[in-house]
Amino acid sequence: DVVMTQSPLSLPVTLGQPASISCRSSQSLVYSDGNTYLSWFQQRPGQSPRRLIYKVSNRDSGVPVRFSGSGSGTDFTLKISRVEAEDVGVYYCMQGTHWPPYTFGQGTKLEIK
Amino acid sequence: EVQLVESGGGLVQPGGSLRLACAASGFSFSSYDMNWVRQAPGKGLECVSYISVTTGATVYADSVKGRFTISRDNAKNSLYLQMNSLRDEDTAVYYCAFTVGDGGIIRNGMDVWGQGTTVTVSS
Repeated sequence: DVVMTQSPLSLPVTLGQPASISCRSSQSLVYSDGNTYLSWFQQRPGQSPRRLIYKVSNRDSGVPVRFSGSGSGTDFTLKISRVEAEDVGVYYCMQGTHWPPYTFGQGTKLEIK
Repeated sequence: EVQLVESGGGLVQPGGSLRLACAASGFSFSSYDMNWVRQAPGKGLECVSYISVTTGATVYADSVKGRFTISRDNAKNSLYLQMNSLRDEDTAVYYCAFTVGDGGIIRNGMDVWGQGTTVTVSS
């Protein structure tokens, strides 16, 4: 299975400051159809996961514009331009290119400094 | 409103069985592939099982293969997970989830999740 490796695993951020999470895959995530199936999920404390980004950089409906995704091949990044209190939680990258199975990163815990 | 509601979790002894259910509403359940995803306490996300709506094909994580069975009843808008020979390491919150956005392309991952049901395997 494809291994997804996130860094950092813990991310203390001051309110209003930017945040960045890295995700690396053990194999290229470019699929035969030309798309790259890399998604990002947010899990707030006590809540179910929520998809934020799909196909590297496409924001899901209702996701604030301060969230952006970028990257290609095996290296990907989730950026939050200005962290707000509601952004506290754990963030996961996930690959679907080599499904089945989906594989998730270990998670990055974002907290307010 | 699109909704998934899981049930059936609880405390079970090692070696025991449980059957989880996921009731779907607010969308055409018979049009979508479905998944079970679990999260052990304080841990990350693991895809447990998948079922295709068109072919009935199923996929299982290696960790549950031969012990868990996924099924669906489209007439009842319900997804199930039969869990046998349960182990301590099966202790987790179990979510049902599916992909509806972007044309329902499953490789994008799940964009609709239930609230989860907790399974605890312990003697």
